[in-house]
Parts: sequence; structure tokens; C-alpha cells
Amino acid sequence: GAVVSQHPSWVICKSGTSVKIECRSLDFQATTMFWYRQFPKQSLMLMATSNEGSKATYEQGVEKDKFLINHASLTLSTLTVTSAHPEDSSFYICSASRSGSIHEQYFGPGTRLTVT
Amino acid sequence: ILNVEQSPQSLHVQEGDSTNFTCSFPSSNFYALHWYRWETAKSPEALFVMTLNGDEKKKGRISATLNTKEGYSYLYIKGSQPEDSATYLCASFNNAGNMLTFGGGTRLMVKP
Repeated sequence: GAVVSQHPSWVICKSGTSVKIECRSLDFQATTMFWYRQFPKQSLMLMATSNEGSKATYEQGVEKDKFLINHASLTLSTLTVTSAHPEDSSFYICSASRSGSIHEQYFGPGTRLTVT
Repeated sequence: ILNVEQSPQSLHVQEGDSTNFTCSFPSSNFYALHWYRWETAKSPEALFVMTLNGDEKKKGRISATLNTKEGYSYLYIKGSQPEDSATYLCASFNNAGNMLTFGGGTRLMVKP
């Protein structure tokens, strides 16, 4: 149980385009979902936290207009990187938690984004 | 300690060797310490979640200890096997930030 999928696994896009990444909890209801980013040789860094039906809470330094997060259902959250630039190239990974247990997070396999 | 730090960054061992890694974390407002095993192209897999000072947990050949007063946790692998090769992440959750803060990971490579 507690499987999280992410799609796509890899994406290459041109500078200026937008890219949507999906995160799904396959066998449980995720009241809270998290989006992390990892640059090479660095730790996973939390970008934003989203609760189903609410606006996402962004960490300091993360532009909410650039990284649009939607958590419209208890099993799906999406991250849209708008007007992507090469510096947005990174590894994006989501996680999901059940109600009342936000520190226990189940992770997707991640998405490698390359912006050319 | 302000951040979560892991050492070493990477480790090469021979099959059959026992090994251990360290995770240091801020002890203030501590709530839980998580260890994950992360193989390439897969999801990080939860190994242990520990909350109490002095906690020891074991899963097969892998075990972990926790010292919340001094802010460190050790992960031990006994008799390493090639399939243990992965990156081992620790993450601390505290009550102040309500978020998981990750260390940089220890990349383990076990040679047959």
C-alpha cells in the first residue's frame, strides 16, 4: 500500500514553454501533497505544500506564479512549470501523506526536467 | 546544528562488509527522524521512522538508532549485499516548521 506515481519520468522542453507534472496517490487518499526539487549533489528541498481543495503554501524563494500547484482531488496534484528556463532544469519529486500524519510521506519516483 | 547533514557522502564497501552512516539534525523542536532507501529510477522507500530518544529499530540486516538530545542517528547495515547499493536519505521533522528537512544522502555501493 501507499504507492505514489509521477508522470512523466523524463521531460525535455524548450525555453519559454510550460510543463505539467502529475503526482497521483494510487491506493490511498492524500490530504496533503508536497513538491520537492533536487539540484545536482544537493538535498531534496521542499518547494510547496498543498492540501486538497486549498491553495498551496510555498517555501521562501519559490515563485508561486512560476510553479503552479493544483491539488483538486484527494489523489492528484499537479505542478506546472510556466515559461520554463534552463535554470529550472532539475529533478522534481512529489510526496503524499494521509490525514493526521504529515510527517509520514510516500514518495513518487520523480521527474527529470531538462529545459533547452 | 541548523541543517540535516549526512556523512559520508558516498561509500564503497565489499560484499559481506558491515557499514554505518551518520545523520545529524537539529535537536530543538524535534518530532521524528526518517530514514529512506532510494534506488535509482525508483521512489524513495521508507525504512524507519523514529521518534523517541534511544529508539532502536531493525529490519532484516538494517538497523538504526536515535539520539534526540544530541541530534544524531546511525544507520547500520550488517553483511552488505550488492542489492543494498542505493542512496540512504535521512530527514528530520520538527514541530516548528512542520516539514521534512532532508540530508544530502549517503550513496552506498557494494561490490560483489
